[in-house]
Amino acid sequence: QKEVEQDPGPLSVPEGAIVSLNCTYSNSAFQYFMWYRQYSRKGPELLMYTYSSGNKEDGRFTAQVDKSSKYISLFIRDSQPSDSATYLCAMGASGGSYIPTFGRGTSLIVHP
Amino acid sequence: GAVVSQHPSWVICKSGTSVKIECRSLDFQATTMFWYRQFPKQSLMLMATSNEGSKATYEQGVEKDKFLINHASLTLSTLTVTSAHPEDSSFYICSAKTVPDQPQHFGDGTRLSIL
Repeated sequence: QKEVEQDPGPLSVPEGAIVSLNCTYSNSAFQYFMWYRQYSRKGPELLMYTYSSGNKEDGRFTAQVDKSSKYISLFIRDSQPSDSATYLCAMGASGGSYIPTFGRGTSLIVHP
Repeated sequence: GAVVSQHPSWVICKSGTSVKIECRSLDFQATTMFWYRQFPKQSLMLMATSNEGSKATYEQGVEKDKFLINHASLTLSTLTVTSAHPEDSSFYICSAKTVPDQPQHFGDGTRLSIL
């Protein structure tokens, strides 16, 4: 079992839909969680950073962390064609080298 | 803030040549920089971690003599692919962070094609 599992998709939704992207993990030591957006042939761009459990909202994006279930989510409201990209989750444990583990990414397609 | 610049964005060269890729943190000092490799539709594969003024720490299976990493200052790290061959063709991405428990910020990647 991989430490971080993420469905590669593609996930295709109509413009305006609410998108739910998810990752599960197995390492209970993970304490900080991130979501990155990566457009084709570009580097990942940090969208959300959360520490421990709970919700965090930033504009149309909401990140949720459920440590009891080892499950994290990213919600995108009112999705736009410009949101079409690959979304990578990443997580890590405090202490040590602080090197996060990345999911393989979910490809999202928002069609007009 | 937290801008990481990577150069070049695309390079094509002949087999056997060496290629240097630069990674710069433009508006912050990066205590740690990372180098990743990414194959199409795959996740990021960490190659090495470098701290300013120290030797890089390579991940298992990454050839140190093949992929030379230098982190000479708090704003610059370089990756040199020595004697490159077609199998080295890939998308290489660097990232940097300021303090350990903060997220990494990525450059835009370098597409390397070896003919």
